[in-house]
Amino acid sequence: SSQLTQDPAVSVALGQTVRITCQGDSLRSYYASWYQQKPGQAPIVVFYGKDNRPSGIPDRFSGSSSGNTASLTITGAQAEDEADYYCSSRDSSSDRRYVFGTGTKVTVL
Amino acid sequence: EVQLVESGGDLVQPGGSLRVSCAASGFTFSRYWMSWVRQAPGKGLEWVANIKEDGSEKHYVDSVKGRFTISRDNAKNSLNLQMNSLRAEDTAVYYCAREPTMSYYHSSGHYIDYWFDPWGQGTQVTVSS
Repeated sequence: SSQLTQDPAVSVALGQTVRITCQGDSLRSYYASWYQQKPGQAPIVVFYGKDNRPSGIPDRFSGSSSGNTASLTITGAQAEDEADYYCSSRDSSSDRRYVFGTGTKVTVL
Repeated sequence: EVQLVESGGDLVQPGGSLRVSCAASGFTFSRYWMSWVRQAPGKGLEWVANIKEDGSEKHYVDSVKGRFTISRDNAKNSLNLQMNSLRAEDTAVYYCAREPTMSYYHSSGHYIDYWFDPWGQGTQVTVSS
């Protein structure tokens, strides 16, 4: 199965911009989806596909993709954005399995 | 309100069995693929298994093939995961999640977006003697 690799941790000053990246071969075929998870809570989707932000998710969250890399950008990070972030995509075209990224801990300073 | 509620998590001995369930409400359950995703203590998310709308197609991560069985009852809006031959490494919070999709055409071709939404609150499965 495929793997999706993320940087373990990034930090961002309050109000600044941070980009979280996700690399893997499956991203050449499928767009990523992105999940935010705060301690003790279930994940929630914050961005998916080519250009989709679920209702209720602030527009400071945006996504992009190129080749084998997907990115989630938080423009003007807020204290409440401090969380773990995971990317995910379909694993292959032969069946409907999925893979998650290794996760990135975002710290807002 | 779209909602998923897991239940059935417990402490079980290595080699034992356990069945966890997920009750769905607020949407037409029979129209969606459904997944189980787990998270070991202090670790990341791992996709475990999923099942097609009518139950005719199922997929598993390699580490649980032959030990776990996913099933659904569309009449009862429920999703299940039967876990046999449990190992210590199966210890995790197990989440159920709906798999919406969106099909569209772009200048560069036909695309289908996949994502997980919503997620349940999770149920804890601990495998230990």
